[in-house]
Amino acid sequence: ETGVTQTPRHLVMGMTNKKSLKCEQHLGHNAMYWYKQSAKKPLELMFVYSLEERVENNSVPSRFSPECPNSSHLFLHLHTLQPEDSALYLCASSQDWGTIEAFFGQGTRLTVV
Amino acid sequence: GENVEQHPSTLSVQEGDSAVIKCTYSDSASNYFPWYKQELGKRPQLIIDIRSNVGEKKDQRIAVTLNKTAKHFSLHITETQPEDSAVYFCAANPIAGNMLTFGGGTRLMVKP
Repeated sequence: ETGVTQTPRHLVMGMTNKKSLKCEQHLGHNAMYWYKQSAKKPLELMFVYSLEERVENNSVPSRFSPECPNSSHLFLHLHTLQPEDSALYLCASSQDWGTIEAFFGQGTRLTVV
Repeated sequence: GENVEQHPSTLSVQEGDSAVIKCTYSDSASNYFPWYKQELGKRPQLIIDIRSNVGEKKDQRIAVTLNKTAKHFSLHITETQPEDSAVYFCAANPIAGNMLTFGGGTRLMVKP
């Protein structure tokens, strides 16, 4: 395994629920990312954290709220989501923000009902 | 910003044949072009990459070519095997921002 783990693997939530996705990496990397993968769409970068500071927010709705308490952990807090938010959410890490190769987690398959 | 287009979206080949997937990009400043393979239910994994100072790179049955003038790059898989069946993503990295922009993916099916 690549050392990037995501939990849960599957999540079904109602539109009024609040839930969190968790990502953990044991590669000693300094940058972590959240991507959204929808059917028939390119991977969309949502957030980037470098050394625990957010460096990129790609116009993501505020119902998605990231948190990076330390360089090994990344969370994505979800609240009042819409059905169109159903997708595979992938976490990735890289050595540094300027390092290109990304190592991906297995993703969380989110279904909003 | 960068825009990456990938074709075809699906590709079916017979085992042993070659497969070619093509990507175009818009930002001439992009200098790094990786390819990721995502098997069903698994994470994307880097399989090969190329930088703008190189025109071609090969790793066993996989090769990538880059044409900077035309702003396109391609993945070539020779002697395809059923285990090559997966979704393949190309990506490009514009210098500004240091983050990858992905193509839409190609679902490759290798028939035994």
